[in-house]
Amino acid sequence: EPEVTQTPSHQVTQMGQEVILRCVPISNHLYFYWYRQILGQKVEFLVSFYNNEISEKSEIFDDQFSVERPDGSNFTLKIRSTKLEDSAMYFCASTRGLAGETQYFGPGTRLLVL
Amino acid sequence: GIQVEQSPPDLILQEGANSTLRCNFSDSVNNLQWFHQNPWGQLINLFYIPSGTKQNGRLSATTVATERYSLLYISSSQTTDSGVYFCAVERQTGGFKTIFGAGTRLFVKA
Repeated sequence: EPEVTQTPSHQVTQMGQEVILRCVPISNHLYFYWYRQILGQKVEFLVSFYNNEISEKSEIFDDQFSVERPDGSNFTLKIRSTKLEDSAMYFCASTRGLAGETQYFGPGTRLLVL
Repeated sequence: GIQVEQSPPDLILQEGANSTLRCNFSDSVNNLQWFHQNPWGQLINLFYIPSGTKQNGRLSATTVATERYSLLYISSSQTTDSGVYFCAVERQTGGFKTIFGAGTRLFVKA
């Protein structure tokens, strides 16, 4: 069964460094999402992406974040200058189409900022 | 923005018991999903259920969109059911934005 994949599974970085989290959505899916989950807390929406542009973003998704679909398969989240509070699990998700269909989640990338 | 409230926040069950988890949401939504987050952190789809009732084995879910709530039923619980159960609603405001509830943490004792 097709699945969403994410790399790396874990990343440790120093405060102020840039990180790029990678996701490969399910191949025929068109709508992509990034979420984060701080340890022990709920899952928070960051951004949705469709047709090579941001569809919706939350107040968390400020100027230090950006997303890109650099080729036909990858979907990336870049954090320009990491802060301690960016430490979290980051999940990517995808759906087949526009109208709020089932979201399939990747296994997540656990980011630790020191 | 839309509020999603889940209850109870924590639940301890004896293996074999049944339970009902509730999700209330404050406004109309385009989509509602239930997820199980296992102890390894994976988010597993349980149901896509914007309205109506669905069943999958020992699990079933009902969403009453007009009254803005959804219920997840777990019957004959097993230790592997332990984890956190999240309700997530999706609302179109221009694009689609997903709001998760705080979750119900379930522990099933052997």
